[in-house]
Amino acid sequence: DQQVKQNSPSLSVQEGRISILNCDYTNSMFDYFLWYKKYPAEGPTFLISISSIKDKNEDGRFTVFLNKSAKHLSLHIVPSQPGDSAVYFCAAKILSYGKLTFGQGTILTVHP
Amino acid sequence: EAGVTQFPSHSVIEKGQTVTLRCDPISGHDNLYWYRRVMGKEIKFLLHFVKESKQDESGMPNNRFLAERTGGTYSTLKVQPAELEDSGVYFCASSQKPGTNTGELFFGEGSRLTVL
Repeated sequence: DQQVKQNSPSLSVQEGRISILNCDYTNSMFDYFLWYKKYPAEGPTFLISISSIKDKNEDGRFTVFLNKSAKHLSLHIVPSQPGDSAVYFCAAKILSYGKLTFGQGTILTVHP
Repeated sequence: EAGVTQFPSHSVIEKGQTVTLRCDPISGHDNLYWYRRVMGKEIKFLLHFVKESKQDESGMPNNRFLAERTGGTYSTLKVQPAELEDSGVYFCASSQKPGTNTGELFFGEGSRLTVL
């Protein structure tokens, strides 16, 4: 039973436009959420996170929004750049525990 | 400072053979995790060490998988005997304390296992 789901396997966006990646979760015990970015042949790298006590966290071009009632989060990238092309993984955890539960990933392609 | 390192980067073995994957976490990180990604699916949790102790091994698929972390430094993951469905990329990650605000795990580049 998958507790974190990314229902869009891929997303294609023009350079300079906004990229919106979505993620849904089912476990209401999750209280911390993260986005990871992965390039081919590399390990995932941390991008941005948000605590369940917040509904928004911003870091430069990246903003994560959390809607707890809908058990939904999204990652906005503005403006998108070709170097942002990668696989983006949504992850969730119970903060007192170590392990992350990941979604399937969304392949983002940003066209010049 | 060195990141998480994994060896080998790619291993091709035949069904029934044994493979051992190694992970060196970031120095000072007590927490070490193994994950696996199969054929473009989710990155799935296998187990979690705190120092040399297994904190959570709920994700280990079966008893063909054996993970160790002797001395609380590097870890090995042995698959014996390997089956076709074990093919995938095995990621190792490390972190400081689970309860820290960032909750961030640092990942290695992964070991790709192909079982023929």
